[in-house]
Amino acid sequence: GNSVTQMEGPVTLSEEAFLTINCTYTATGYPSLFWYVQYPGEGLQLLLKATKADDKGSNKGFEATYRKETTSFHLEKGSVQVSDSAVYFCALRGGNQGGKLIFGQGTELSVKP
Amino acid sequence: NAGVTQTPKFRVLKTGQSMTLLCAQDMNHEYMYWYRQDPGMGLRLIHYSVGEGTTAKGEVPDGYNVSRLKKQNFLLGLESAAPSQTSVYFCASSFQAEAFFGQGTRLTVV
Repeated sequence: GNSVTQMEGPVTLSEEAFLTINCTYTATGYPSLFWYVQYPGEGLQLLLKATKADDKGSNKGFEATYRKETTSFHLEKGSVQVSDSAVYFCALRGGNQGGKLIFGQGTELSVKP
Repeated sequence: NAGVTQTPKFRVLKTGQSMTLLCAQDMNHEYMYWYRQDPGMGLRLIHYSVGEGTTAKGEVPDGYNVSRLKKQNFLLGLESAAPSQTSVYFCASSFQAEAFFGQGTRLTVV
């Protein structure tokens, strides 16, 4: 079945540093890919998405490109802020598994002033 | 503008007790999901539904049952709670791409 693998955390960065969180997936067909963010004590909320190969999703300075050849969807941000501290989840839906939405294990990001 | 509402928010159960978690959405979404979140394990899909009257197993369905009798509601049942079911449970609903999540239910089984 489909699966998502993320780099392990926690990731600790200084403010204004460059961020990369790696995500790779296994899927049959053509799934949609997502990044969700979870702030402490809250549910998840969508950060960005890409629905087909070579699409780039972007939001709030974050971006990720759907790479079918490497089955990857890495999250990047050029200059992180303290307010970006949260847990980030890569997710996948569709392909040959219809509406099933599955997540990676999450990567905790801590940004220090 | 409620979105996705989960009840209850907290619950403590004794081993062997049963309970039902309720998820309600007011966005007329077809898809609904139940997840559990455990430290280091991310979100694991328990069951999901692609429309009223349908349910399907996710990654970790054992020990749980679900029902989707009305489009807006998705119920998660624990027939005989076990300590291994101590977790934070999240419900979500979606129409096409974006999923909307509830605030979670923290369940402790002692």
